Amino acid sequence: RKEVEQDPGPFNVPEGATVAFNCTYSNSASQSFFWYRQDCRKEPKLLMSVYSSGNEDGRFTAQLNRASQYISLLIRDSKLSDSATYLCVVPKENFNKFYFGSGTKLNVKP
Amino acid sequence: SAVISQKPSRDICQRGTSLTIQCQVDSQVTMMFWYRQQPGQSLTLIATANQGSEATYESGFVIDKFPISRPNLTFSTLTVSNMSPEDSSIYLCSVNDGLTEAFFGQGTRLTVV
Repeated sequence: RKEVEQDPGPFNVPEGATVAFNCTYSNSASQSFFWYRQDCRKEPKLLMSVYSSGNEDGRFTAQLNRASQYISLLIRDSKLSDSATYLCVVPKENFNKFYFGSGTKLNVKP
Repeated sequence: SAVISQKPSRDICQRGTSLTIQCQVDSQVTMMFWYRQQPGQSLTLIATANQGSEATYESGFVIDKFPISRPNLTFSTLTVSNMSPEDSSIYLCSVNDGLTEAFFGQGTRLTVV
C-alpha cells in the first residue's frame, strides 16, 4: 500500500463551483499534513498545513479525519486561477522524509 | 521560510555526459533532499543530502549514477551521470528545518538527447 494516495483526476469544474479532493495515508502515527499546489512547469508551493482537525484559509478548507486516515481539501467558489495540480504530502514523524501523493489535477473552466 | 536558488533552470545534454545541479539556500537548514519528477508524475525522492557524510539514497537510486555533495548547511549539488534519454525529467531540490513544511527550488528541467 502506498504511503499517500490521491485521486489523480482531472477534475473539470466551472467557475464558481465547489470541489473537494480526498487523500488517504497509511501511517496512523502521522501528525502533520500538507496540501501543496503545483502549477505547470513550476515547483510545488505550500497551500495549507493541517496539524489538528482542520484548517481554513479564505475559500480553502482542509479537514483531517484521523479515524479514517484521510485529509480533504475543499475549494469554494472556484476561480480560473485555481487550475493546478494539488499534492497531498505527509511527512514522517521526525520530518526526515516526505511522502507525496500522485497529485490531483484541477481544471476550472469559464 | 527558506529561499532556494537552484541552477541551471534547464539544460539540454548529450547522452553519455554528466550534469551537475546546484542548490543554494539563504539560511542554514537541517534537511536537504533531491527529487525527480517525470512528466505527469508526482515527486520521487532520490536521496537525502547529509552534511559532512554520504547521502542516503532511496531504493532504485545509486551513488554512482547520482553523486551528491553537501559541503555545508546551505549548499548541495546533484550530478546526473552518464545520462540517457530516460534521465530526462525535472530535478528538484527541497529543504526543511526538521519541524515544518518543505520548501522547493525552482527545479531543473533536463532533456537528454
